[in-house]
Amino acid sequence: EPEVTQTPSHQVTQMGQEVILRCVPISNHLYFYWYRQILGQKVEFLVSFYNNEISEKSEIFDDQFSVERPDGSNFTLKIRSTKLEDSAMYFCASRGSLGNQPQHFGDGTRLSIL
Amino acid sequence: DQQVKQNSPSLSVQEGRISILNCDYTNSMFDYFLWYKKYPAEGPTFLISISSIKDKNEDGRFTVFLNKSAKHLSLHIVPSQPGDSAVYFCAASSLISGTYKYIFGTGTRLKVLA
Repeated sequence: EPEVTQTPSHQVTQMGQEVILRCVPISNHLYFYWYRQILGQKVEFLVSFYNNEISEKSEIFDDQFSVERPDGSNFTLKIRSTKLEDSAMYFCASRGSLGNQPQHFGDGTRLSIL
Repeated sequence: DQQVKQNSPSLSVQEGRISILNCDYTNSMFDYFLWYKKYPAEGPTFLISISSIKDKNEDGRFTVFLNKSAKHLSLHIVPSQPGDSAVYFCAASSLISGTYKYIFGTGTRLKVLA
C-alpha cells in the first residue's frame, strides 16, 4: 500500500538555526498538509497546500514557517529561525482529489530544539 | 481550542469484548468525521470515517456511530484484539466550509488485555 514518507525521523537543531523537514506524499495525491504534535498535546493543523500554493494556514504558521513543493514529488516544511517551543513531532499528510477522502499521514519527524 | 473532545484518556478492555471510544464536538459546521489509530513512533493510521449525512458506518470489526443532535460520535471495536492496543484519535472537518483541515481530539489510549 502506498505511504507517505518523512525524513529525517529525528532532527536535533540549535535554537535560531534553520531546519527543513521533508515529505514524499503518496504519488497521485494532490493535497498536502503539515500538522504538529507537541509532547502531551493534541495533533494541530499547520498548513494545507494545493496547486503549488497555500490554501489554508493556522495562526501557528507564522512568518518563520514556509512550505514548498520543489520538484513535484517532495513537500517540505522550513522553519527559518527555530525556537525552543518548536520542539514537537511534525506530521506530513496527503489525500486524493475528493474532499471526503481521508488524509494519510507519515510517521513524523521528531524535532528537538536545543 | 476545544472543538473536539475525547474525555476518556484511557480505556482497558478484555480481549474478545467490545471497545467503545467516545468523542464530542461543539462546531455544528463539522460534517466529516474520522477515527485514526496511532502506535508509538508511527503516524496516525486512518481507520474509518463518516459523513454527517449518515449515522453509522461499518468496516469489518470497526463501526462508527454519529449522533448529530448530541454532537457525539463513537467508535465500536468488536471483538477487541490485543493488536488493537494503541491511541485512538477522532478528527473532524467542515467540508461544506471548504476547509479540509482536521481538528483532532486529545486521544484515548486503548489497552486490550489478553
